[in-house]
Amino acid sequence: DAGVTQSPTHLIKTRGQQVTLRCSPKSGHDTVSWYQQALGQGPQFIFQYYEEEERQRGNFPDRFSGHQYPNYSSELNVNALLLGDSALYLCASSAVRDRQFFGPGTRLTVL
Amino acid sequence: AQSVTQLGSHVSVSEGALVLLRCNYSSSVPPYLFWYVQYPNQGLQLLLKYTTGATLVKGINGFEAEFKKSETSFHLTKPSAHMSDAAEYFCAVTFTRGALIFGKGTTLSVSS
Repeated sequence: DAGVTQSPTHLIKTRGQQVTLRCSPKSGHDTVSWYQQALGQGPQFIFQYYEEEERQRGNFPDRFSGHQYPNYSSELNVNALLLGDSALYLCASSAVRDRQFFGPGTRLTVL
Repeated sequence: AQSVTQLGSHVSVSEGALVLLRCNYSSSVPPYLFWYVQYPNQGLQLLLKYTTGATLVKGINGFEAEFKKSETSFHLTKPSAHMSDAAEYFCAVTFTRGALIFGKGTTLSVSS
């Protein structure tokens, strides 16, 4: 049984560009959450998707948006990239009201 | 707002020594509590969790944690450190089974 998978593993972008990160949840999970982990910090909650709707959102600007597909996979989009967006982006999946399982993350570097 | 404080950004122990990583949360309502471990260039792995019931929780790799409501604490311990325990450890809370609120993490170093 595959766990949570994320793509790509690494990504390099320049300021002002847009990026899309992808996440496939663990089998049987219908909820996907996204977190940003800056270097030397704990993960910060971006948002959570359930039934293709954004259910909960953290303190992130509208440049951060997401989507969930009928197969429960999800995308995180970031527009107008800033240097400060450089981080490890973690996806976590869960069944409703159960523990979250984390993927290996996507390392985004903004130059 | 709810928050998590991990005391000590870096803890160093000798192999075989006791490991104690501290975590305190701020909330008037008992949350669900978690400890995660992160190895270099990897995602987060759940060590243990407290939801309800017994306040002493046993996790993987010999770790355990005790929920103390009166102290709003959830410290992580392991009786005997192993070299393979060297990693970054995060305490996290959630109140809605939704967003996890993480502490800033504690780096555990183990020397031989």
